[in-house]
Amino acid sequence: DQQVKQNSPSLSVQEGRISILNCDYTNSMFDYFLWYKKYPAEGPTFLISISSIKDKNEDGRFTVFLNKSAKHLSLHIVPSQPGDSAVYFCAASAKGGTSYGKLTFGQGTILTVHP
Amino acid sequence: KAGVTQTPRYLIKTRGQQVTLSCSPISGHRSVSWYQQTPGQGLQFLFEYFSETQRNKGNFPGRFSGRQFSNSRSEMNVSTLELGDSALYLCASSLGSSPNIQYFGAGTRLSVL
Repeated sequence: DQQVKQNSPSLSVQEGRISILNCDYTNSMFDYFLWYKKYPAEGPTFLISISSIKDKNEDGRFTVFLNKSAKHLSLHIVPSQPGDSAVYFCAASAKGGTSYGKLTFGQGTILTVHP
Repeated sequence: KAGVTQTPRYLIKTRGQQVTLSCSPISGHRSVSWYQQTPGQGLQFLFEYFSETQRNKGNFPGRFSGRQFSNSRSEMNVSTLELGDSALYLCASSLGSSPNIQYFGAGTRLSVL
């Protein structure tokens, strides 16, 4: 049962344009969402997060949008740069109990930004 | 501030052997979580330790175990290795409270022959 889904395995974007990465979830107990970027041979790097009480969070070129009713979140990167080329993972966490220390990850989206 | 350090970076073992992986968290972080990453299953949660206690465990067989020391360093052990245990093992550290922002190490690549 995949509780966090990234339905697009890959995305190709031109430098300077917007990259939009999407993520859907099914577990209504999730209350915190995170995006990570991963380069080959490295661990995931934390990018940006959002609490379920908000619908938008911005940090520089990165903005995350959360639509709770649709159980959908998206990461916008504007403008996209070739150095943004990596695998992007969406992750979710729930409060307490059996959720301590556990992030549930999507399968990842490979972003390629062309010069 | 130093990041999360995992050792070794690469390991090659044969079926039936056992292996121990090590993780040193970011200074001040008391929670360490472990994940297994494979091409087919993605990133799967193994377990989490906080103040030397296992607070949560994922759906993995008992061959996978861990522990945490008083300095928050953690080790993960896999006994009786199987071919399917070949994977990238990642550890992540956090403060252990909400929000659950985890910072990852570079991982240990385990190959079982």
